[in-house]
Amino acid sequence: AQSVAQPEDQVNVAEGNPLTVKCTYSVSGNPYLFWYVQYPNRGLQFLLKYITGDNLVKGSYGFEAEFNKSQTSFHLKKPSALVSDSALYFCAVRDMKGNTPLVFGKGTRLSVIA
Amino acid sequence: DSGVTQTPKHLITATGQRVTLRCSPRSGDLSVYWYQQSLDQGLQFLIQYYNGEERAKGNILERFSAQQFPDLHSELNLSSLELGDSALYFCASSTSVGQVYNEQFFGPGTRLTVL
Repeated sequence: AQSVAQPEDQVNVAEGNPLTVKCTYSVSGNPYLFWYVQYPNRGLQFLLKYITGDNLVKGSYGFEAEFNKSQTSFHLKKPSALVSDSALYFCAVRDMKGNTPLVFGKGTRLSVIA
Repeated sequence: DSGVTQTPKHLITATGQRVTLRCSPRSGDLSVYWYQQSLDQGLQFLIQYYNGEERAKGNILERFSAQQFPDLHSELNLSSLELGDSALYFCASSTSVGQVYNEQFFGPGTRLTVL
């Protein structure tokens, strides 16, 4: 069975500092990995995804994520945080085989402090 | 704006009642997904439809049902409502069912409150 773990419920970072939101996953085969962001009272917005190829994936709003197969991780990063990045971030995984559902982590609330 | 629309935005009803949530996918998207988001359970996949046919089922209760119509809009029906059904219900769409790496586009959600 697929699963995603986001070990931190909350991440606090000062504006201008680098940020990291952690994600580890478990699938039986090879993964498709996704990051989504949810702003208050809004639906989830797609940020980036890893399908295959380069382990460093670049996405929207200056975010990037690094796929690490040996550590089964897909951490979200940004070199310089903005107050407007404050939101709820979800990591999700899908097994490459078959039509398995997208499985989401519990979410990590990012708070960027001015 | 993702292009996915959901109505109504808010719904307040009583226990034992039945409600219908509506979703219109992005233009051209054939797959529709329904999710439930609650504080204790996080984001849970309920059910997926592709071009009118059910394709995958998740943690959907027997009291809940869904369908996708020929114009590709979808409805989620929740019956015999309980207090614990209070949650945000999201619809998402994607281009196809075969390409499982395609990202899903989420609607703004329907907030259901059962009193």
